[in-house]
Amino acid sequence: NAGVMQNPRHLVRRRGQEARLRCSPMKGHSHVYWYRQLPEEGLKFMVYLQKENIIDESGMPKERFSAEFPKEGPSILRIQQVVRGDSAAYFCASSPGSHYGYTFGSGTRLTVV
Amino acid sequence: DQQVKQNSPSLSVQEGRISILNCDYTNSMFDYFLWYKKYPAEGPTFLISISSIKDKNEDGRFTVFLNKSAKHLSLHIVPSQPGDSAVYFCAASVKAGNNRKLIWGLGTSLAVNP
Repeated sequence: NAGVMQNPRHLVRRRGQEARLRCSPMKGHSHVYWYRQLPEEGLKFMVYLQKENIIDESGMPKERFSAEFPKEGPSILRIQQVVRGDSAAYFCASSPGSHYGYTFGSGTRLTVV
Repeated sequence: DQQVKQNSPSLSVQEGRISILNCDYTNSMFDYFLWYKKYPAEGPTFLISISSIKDKNEDGRFTVFLNKSAKHLSLHIVPSQPGDSAVYFCAASVKAGNNRKLIWGLGTSLAVNP
């Protein structure tokens, strides 16, 4: 049973480009969470999704950021027109239900140059 | 508004001694607490948890203590090993509508010196 798979592990984008980060949850998990860790900071919640639904996006910046978790395929975190301040590690986690804890992927490190 | 606080950004301990990592919270509605460990370039991994109806949970070298009246929990690692060197995050779970929410501390970086 593979864990939470995130790809790519490293992503370099120029300012103004789009970044797409993918997350395949653990088998049987229908809840996905995205977190961001900026340099020298802790984990910051961004968005919580179930299949085809956004449950809580209170941590997501209002502009340029979007997330989806389609019926088929991985969850996607999309950042349009990236800026240097978007450089961070983005972690995805999944759980079988909205319960007490979840399993994290290894993260995608986004560098904006 | 930091509802979960880990006031020590870093901690250094000698191998074989006890490591004590602390976490304070402000929301009395938190009913479940978790500790995660994170190595550089990896995602956090679950370590140990405790329900608010308990005051202690032990798993091998790891013990978590909960003091509800003080809104304080601590993670004890004994004996500490160099492989325990990592960032430790405290998280608190609270019911939010039909779902649950995890609120995270900023982490404590533990260095265990040989």
